[in-house]
Amino acid sequence: DIQMTQSPSSLSASVGDRVTMTCRASQSIDTYLNWYQQRPGRAPKLLIYAPSTLQSGVPSRFSGSGSGTDFTLTISSLQPEDFGTYYCQQSYSTPLTFGGGTKVEIQ
Amino acid sequence: QLQLQESGSGLVRPSQTLSLTCTVSGASISSDTYSWSWIRQPPGKALEWIGYFSQIGRAYYNPSLQSRVTISVDRSKNQLSLKLNSVSAADTAFYFCARVFDDYADNWGQGTLVTVSS
Repeated sequence: DIQMTQSPSSLSASVGDRVTMTCRASQSIDTYLNWYQQRPGRAPKLLIYAPSTLQSGVPSRFSGSGSGTDFTLTISSLQPEDFGTYYCQQSYSTPLTFGGGTKVEIQ
Repeated sequence: QLQLQESGSGLVRPSQTLSLTCTVSGASISSDTYSWSWIRQPPGKALEWIGYFSQIGRAYYNPSLQSRVTISVDRSKNQLSLKLNSVSAADTAFYFCARVFDDYADNWGQGTLVTVSS
């Protein structure tokens, strides 16, 4: 199985801050990387796929980049509604696997 | 508008079988564009892909669960089902169904909590 490692595990930032989180795969996954946001008590929501295409309706302050083993999710200007946990997921090979998540808190 | 709704028993005894249904509305589960997946999340923990039913009518499972899991589709009812047998406390989790395109889940159900306890 391909292992996905996210860092940091949690972060706290202020509204308006630029926030960056990373996801590392245990082997090359080309660009088969997707990002989800999960707010407390809710189902995950697809943000970005492949790994820089924004899902329809997702604000443009979210962006994704990377290839191979190292990927980044950036929020250019953190908003109050961006709190929650962000998960990366590889779609290079089965079993599809998720990272452990980065929890974002608003200061 | 696409909606997915999980249903089933919220409490299962150890060693018994967990059974869940996902009712899809607003889209056909017989679509040749999408596959349909089950994903679970133990409380406070990360997501785990259980498996999916593909556009070509085949089921694919996470090898860690393969010996215990069955995913199937009832096209007449537009439903996806999950059966997981010989459950233990480690199977306590929120269970989500999701529509999958190109191996990313673009629409999710709200999820249902299944607790394994005697």
